[in-house]
Amino acid sequence: DTGVSQDPRHKITKRGQNVTFRCDPISEHNRLYWYRQTLGQGPEFLTYFQNEAQLEKSRLLSDRFSAERPKGSFSTLEIQRTEQGDSAMYLCASSLWTSVTDTQYFGPGTRLTVL
Amino acid sequence: AQKITQTQPGMFVQEKEAVTLDCTYDTSDPSYGLFWYKQPSSGEMIFLIYQGSYDQQNATEGRYSLNFQKARKSANLVISASQLGDSAMYFCAMREPFGNEKLTFGTGTRLTIIP
Repeated sequence: DTGVSQDPRHKITKRGQNVTFRCDPISEHNRLYWYRQTLGQGPEFLTYFQNEAQLEKSRLLSDRFSAERPKGSFSTLEIQRTEQGDSAMYLCASSLWTSVTDTQYFGPGTRLTVL
Repeated sequence: AQKITQTQPGMFVQEKEAVTLDCTYDTSDPSYGLFWYKQPSSGEMIFLIYQGSYDQQNATEGRYSLNFQKARKSANLVISASQLGDSAMYFCAMREPFGNEKLTFGTGTRLTIIP
């Protein structure tokens, strides 16, 4: 049983550079979520997809952030012109949404450090 | 407004003892879900247990049980017979319907099991 995978696990970049993260959900799951977690806090919602449609974006997701899920399978999260405040753990989760349940299963996360 | 409150930033418990991690929540919607996740130092969020607002019985999963008191809006996690491997951050989260069904997390409790 393959869980949610994320790549890379760690990314160090210089301020102003662009970075892209990938998330591969559990294969039969139709929903995919992105969260951001800063030190000492719980994860905060960024955006989510149902199949390939992006249904909501948080106000945390500035115009420097973009997410895609082109074929309803894997997803990418891109951050343009990174800032030091973008340093955080970026978590991806997936779920098989039904009218009864929607338990989200998380990947190992990508830890971003912006120098 | 904060919707999930975890008032215990850290707890120390002797191995093999039971431990209760507190969580209170705030919502005006009658239909919601409550989740507990474990986050070891590796960073991955591990799903532990789920309680629906309409569930008549408290949820149990192995050594984990959820003490759900709806009138008090509390959903405390009880871990029986604690083990060294239980040392981790524990997050309570709530899902509200009629939206994107994102999870809103508390700030977490760091549990340390003492041998």
